[in-house]
Amino acid sequence: DADVTQTPRNRITKTGKRIMLECSQTKGHDRMYWYRQDPGLGLRLIYYSFDVKDINKGEISDGYSVSRQAQAKFSLSLESAIPNQTALYFCATSDFNGLAGKETQYFGPGTRLLVL
Amino acid sequence: GEDVEQSLFLSVREGDSSVINCTYTDSSSTYLYWYKQEPGAGLQLLTYIFSNMDMKQDQRLTVLLNKKDKHLSLRIADTQTGDSAIYFCAGGGQNFVFGPGTRLSVLP
Repeated sequence: DADVTQTPRNRITKTGKRIMLECSQTKGHDRMYWYRQDPGLGLRLIYYSFDVKDINKGEISDGYSVSRQAQAKFSLSLESAIPNQTALYFCATSDFNGLAGKETQYFGPGTRLLVL
Repeated sequence: GEDVEQSLFLSVREGDSSVINCTYTDSSSTYLYWYKQEPGAGLQLLTYIFSNMDMKQDQRLTVLLNKKDKHLSLRIADTQTGDSAIYFCAGGGQNFVFGPGTRLSVLP
């Protein structure tokens, strides 16, 4: 079974609709992230969470919100979807080791979102 | 904040070596990483280098780090068609930051 799962894998929605993308992990990591990927722009960080009570805005948080329901679950919501939110969305966890200064991120398979 | 840059495209012939370059701005990154993204999949860690090292070799992969110039490169020896993917360099300092990715195309 995959360590980081995302649902749905593909979604088409209309402008103005509210949608939620879900992420679950079985790695037992405290840190979780949401990124969006656009061609030529690489990955941009939307929100991140270092534990259940800690939520932080990333580079491009406007128009998005998140909820960390449990250590294993981190969901991303688009309150009122707009066409320029059409992108590939990735959830990730990380095994940050503060003493060693090393962090490896583990990615889900992605959710492809199309906003019409 | 951290800025990570890469060229967007690279084409090589099968059997040749590929060199993917990356420059970064945050010298506080303790580790620097290379991730690989195959079509339709998420990113997977390929290799990494500790910032006090200047070279790391792992089978066909060689990572070179020039801390003075803040330049990181990934060399893939004997490039195969299965190496066709997007390669991201990333640095971990205050935040984990990815470059835009280099799309490697391997021609037969």
